[in-house]
Amino acid sequence: KAGVTQTPRYLIKTRGQQVTLSCSPISGHRSVSWYQQTPGQGLQFLFEYFSETQRNKGNFPGRFSGRQFSNSRSEMNVSTLELGDSALYLCASKVTGTNEKLFFGSGTQLSVL
Amino acid sequence: GDSVTQMEGPVTLSEEAFLTINCTYTATGYPSLFWYVQYPGEGLQLLLKATKADDKGSNKGFEATYRKETTSFHLEKGSVQVSDSAVYFCALSDLTGGGNKLTFGTGTQLKVEL
Repeated sequence: KAGVTQTPRYLIKTRGQQVTLSCSPISGHRSVSWYQQTPGQGLQFLFEYFSETQRNKGNFPGRFSGRQFSNSRSEMNVSTLELGDSALYLCASKVTGTNEKLFFGSGTQLSVL
Repeated sequence: GDSVTQMEGPVTLSEEAFLTINCTYTATGYPSLFWYVQYPGEGLQLLLKATKADDKGSNKGFEATYRKETTSFHLEKGSVQVSDSAVYFCALSDLTGGGNKLTFGTGTQLKVEL
């Protein structure tokens, strides 16, 4: 069974640009969550989607948005990039329900210059 | 809000040494507790979990006990190996809003030397 796939693996952008990251969950998983990982702030929850609906949202500005498609694939978008947005963005999926095992992808490393 | 505090690293041990990584939490309600491990260049993998007080999670020689009275979930292993070198994250699960949000500690880097 294929794992959680995130593309691209690396991205370099400049301030003010926007970026879209993609996540394909494990087949059969309907919940997708996104996390931002930085050396200073650690891992912080961005949002969770289930059946194309955002179910939970972290404390990030509106520049961070996401969506989920009918095949459970998810994208997150960051507009008007800032230097502080440089981070590893991790996607995780699970079948559904609560307290179930989350499967993480290897992440997209975003560098904002 | 919920928070997780874990000991800062790096922790450097010799192979076969005993490992303890401390983790304490603050949460309303009764969260589930987790330890995740991140190897270089990879995403996080669930190492073990406990869903209620006094539960012991265990996997690959690692174990942690959910202690409600001390709000702790310390990770232990009796004899570490070089292959255990990684970053370890303690986390709790918040079920607010019907979703499943994990709150992570800052991570503890473990280096095991021969």
